Amino acid sequence: RKEVEQDPGPFNVPEGATVAFNCTYSNSASQSFFWYRQDCRKEPKLLMSVYSSGNEDGRFTAQLNRASQYISLLIRDSKLSDSATYLCVVNRGPNNNDMRFGAGTRLTVKP
Amino acid sequence: NAGVTQTPKFQVLKTGQSMTLQCAQDMNHEYMSWYRQDPGMGLRLIHYSVGAGITDQGEVPNGYNVSRSTTEDFPLRLLSAAPSQTSVYFCASGQLSGALGYTFGSGTRLTVV
Repeated sequence: RKEVEQDPGPFNVPEGATVAFNCTYSNSASQSFFWYRQDCRKEPKLLMSVYSSGNEDGRFTAQLNRASQYISLLIRDSKLSDSATYLCVVNRGPNNNDMRFGAGTRLTVKP
Repeated sequence: NAGVTQTPKFQVLKTGQSMTLQCAQDMNHEYMSWYRQDPGMGLRLIHYSVGAGITDQGEVPNGYNVSRSTTEDFPLRLLSAAPSQTSVYFCASGQLSGALGYTFGSGTRLTVV
């Protein structure tokens, strides 16, 4: 079983739709959580950190459920430019070397 | 700021050849790392460094060497390339705490034939 699991998709949604991705992690001691965005043939870029209380950045909302060991990303009012692969990242420890990446969820937003 | 700079962007090697992938960052980050990304799998950590003169192995270190003589540079050496090392390689840097995530380089697409 992978340490960080994501539904690979693809998710195909129309512009303006709301879409949600979930990610589960197996290490209960994990300490910090992130969502990254990766465009085709490009490097991953940090989209947002995920905090226990949940956090929002414009159209994007991230939630963390430590008891169930999953994190989620909600995208409202999807834009064509949101088309990308979204990577769930979990830091298992206090230092950078314990980061674990999910394989990603692919999103395509269609006109 | 340039951020994290990786070279080359593309490389084709023959089995058994060696080469060095270059990575440099100008953000004064103490932490640097190398990942490989293969289809259907998450990024996997090859080697990492928490400062100049300090390196350690990640999940998939076999066939790779690293060194960190300066804060800025973290080259990755393939000792004797194998087809299984065909992948996309990313260098990343960040603060030691990991609290703010990573900055990635643009990647190197390596094919070993």
